[in-house]
Amino acid sequence: AQSVTQLDSQVPVFEEAPVELRCNYSSSVSVYLFWYVQYPNQGLQLLLKYLSGSTLVKGINGFEAEFNKSQTSFHLRKPSVHISDTAEYFCAVGKGFQKLVFGTGTRLLVSP
Amino acid sequence: DADVTQTPRNRITKTGKRIMLECSQTKGHDRMYWYRQDPGLGLRLIYYSFDVKDINKGEISDGYSVSRQAQAKFSLSLESAIPNQTALYFCATQSYRDTEAFFGQGTRLTVV
Repeated sequence: AQSVTQLDSQVPVFEEAPVELRCNYSSSVSVYLFWYVQYPNQGLQLLLKYLSGSTLVKGINGFEAEFNKSQTSFHLRKPSVHISDTAEYFCAVGKGFQKLVFGTGTRLLVSP
Repeated sequence: DADVTQTPRNRITKTGKRIMLECSQTKGHDRMYWYRQDPGLGLRLIYYSFDVKDINKGEISDGYSVSRQAQAKFSLSLESAIPNQTALYFCATQSYRDTEAFFGQGTRLTVV
């Protein structure tokens, strides 16, 4: 069975500071990994995904994530956040979307 | 116009009532999904459909039913609503050629 742990339910950060949102997963087979973002009153939108190949994945809005197989992690990073990055971020793992397991989400709060 | 449209966006209903949530898409995708989102629990899959004649139960299908009326339409029904079905419901679509899913803006359902 697969599972996802997002260690932080909420991450407060000041504008222009770097941020890392943590995601750890467990799976007995190779998987695909995703980060989705949910802006207030919106559906989820794909930020980035890791399917295979390079372990550093770049996504939209300046976000990137690094797949670390030995640590079973897929942490999301941004070197300098903006107020507009305030949102909830979901890590997901699976092979085949119907088998995706979502984490419980991390709320990123960016303040001036 | 949104690619994935959910109606209604908000609904309050009484315990025991039947309610239908509708989803339509203009992306031409064959795969459609219904999720519910609860605070602290992330997203959980209710039902999914890979084409018009294909319906599959997800992680939490009890108390729900679905209908795939056409490739573009996928409805979720609560036959007899109960308060613990109060949640945010999302429809999503996906092409079989891709791993990315596209979400609607959600339906906030309150059962009183």
